[in-house]
Amino acid sequence: DVKVTQSSRYLVKRTGEKVFLECVQDMDHENMFWYRQDPGLGLRLIYFSYDVKMKEKGDIPEGYSVSREKKERFSLILESASTNQTSMYLCASSLIVGHLNEQFFGPGTRLTVL
Amino acid sequence: AQTVTQSQPEMSVQEAETVTLSCTYDTSESDYYLFWYKQPPSRQMILVIRQEAYKQQNATENRFSVNFQKAAKSFSLKISDSQLGDAAMYFCASKNNAGNMLTFGGGTRLMVKP
Repeated sequence: DVKVTQSSRYLVKRTGEKVFLECVQDMDHENMFWYRQDPGLGLRLIYFSYDVKMKEKGDIPEGYSVSREKKERFSLILESASTNQTSMYLCASSLIVGHLNEQFFGPGTRLTVL
Repeated sequence: AQTVTQSQPEMSVQEAETVTLSCTYDTSESDYYLFWYKQPPSRQMILVIRQEAYKQQNATENRFSVNFQKAAKSFSLKISDSQLGDAAMYFCASKNNAGNMLTFGGGTRLMVKP
């Protein structure tokens, strides 16, 4: 079974703090994704990586950056957290080949910025 | 750009009954894929069913089936013989053939009454 894990289920940070969200997958997937989930808005893509050190902006990259130094690990960084970044963050991974490349999701990190 | 719309924020169904969740999408692509994902409370999101746009036959997976109306750009999910474990958020999503990224709808919360 594919396993995608995220470093924390719940996180509380203060405005202005630097925040790191970590995601690890164990199935040698090339693609990794960071989404933000908000009620009524569904999931919105923040960043996407298709290989080590490669990244592409998604729909809402402002205020975020990412790092992928190893194939299995994809980090989301909030350089200076703000209250409007309070949300559920979901990581996902998928194979790069195959048109139906199903995305496998982690359990999510619920981040609260005070 | 693709857009996905789920017009029903919440639905409820009696156990053992059938329920249909609606989804419409918009895309300029001729080759694309459609998905329904399920997110149970406090659990990871999983793929329920997927449909290739070039296939006319509706996809089925056990009690889950879709009604894919390509001309109307409609992709509804039918759940037969509803079970308590079907209670979850359901997300409709689309993906272009050439791309890796999913576009999600806003989600429908399904409640199952015993």
